Amino acid sequence: NAGVTQTPKFQVLKTGQSMTLQCAQDMNHEYMSWYRQDPGMGLRLIHYSVGAGITDQGEVPNGYNVSRSTTEDFPLRLLSAAPSQTSVYFCASSKRDSLYGYTFGSGTRLTVV
Amino acid sequence: TQLLEQSPQFLSIQEGENLTVYCNSSSVFSSLQWYRQEPGEGPVLLVTVVTGGEVKKLKRLTFQFGDARKDSSLHITAAQPGDTGLYLCAGARRGATNKLIFGTGTLLAVQP
Repeated sequence: NAGVTQTPKFQVLKTGQSMTLQCAQDMNHEYMSWYRQDPGMGLRLIHYSVGAGITDQGEVPNGYNVSRSTTEDFPLRLLSAAPSQTSVYFCASSKRDSLYGYTFGSGTRLTVV
Repeated sequence: TQLLEQSPQFLSIQEGENLTVYCNSSSVFSSLQWYRQEPGEGPVLLVTVVTGGEVKKLKRLTFQFGDARKDSSLHITAAQPGDTGLYLCAGARRGATNKLIFGTGTLLAVQP
């Protein structure tokens, strides 16, 4: 009964480095999304996917890439890390309609120095 | 542009007190949800409201969706230390019901 699994839990990057944040869900949810959480700003949508092979941009997509090759996995790639990307990142999944609510992972705390 | 504004941003109260958190927008939402987040964890769904004027109760928590579906409130009666956490409202717009827009959050601390 894992739900949404995010790895790693913590990461420190140097400016310019790239990395991939992993997200996997075992609930057969169609919809998956990535948010970043910064103090006083709630959660802001980075990218989302309504199913395998389909992705779209959210509110703050610059500097991030995503792909959805399977229903279960939705990795987030930072192409060239910048200090402005220091944040806590959350992956979430849901059934097709959000009325059932999102299930969130436990987050990845990323620091870019 | 933040579509959902929450107030207050911070709230520190004593155990046993009552409180209300507000979630306001100029936009209409087809549904609205409330989540609670504890340190080091992701948000967890508390409730979904879908009808204008709807009131839902969850033990000591009362949730209301505004008549015009632009705002919502969360009222906690006799707060307990276990209620401590970050409370987030989130709305779904018509035509994009799988994409939630989150509010700015209210950090609640209940002192024993």
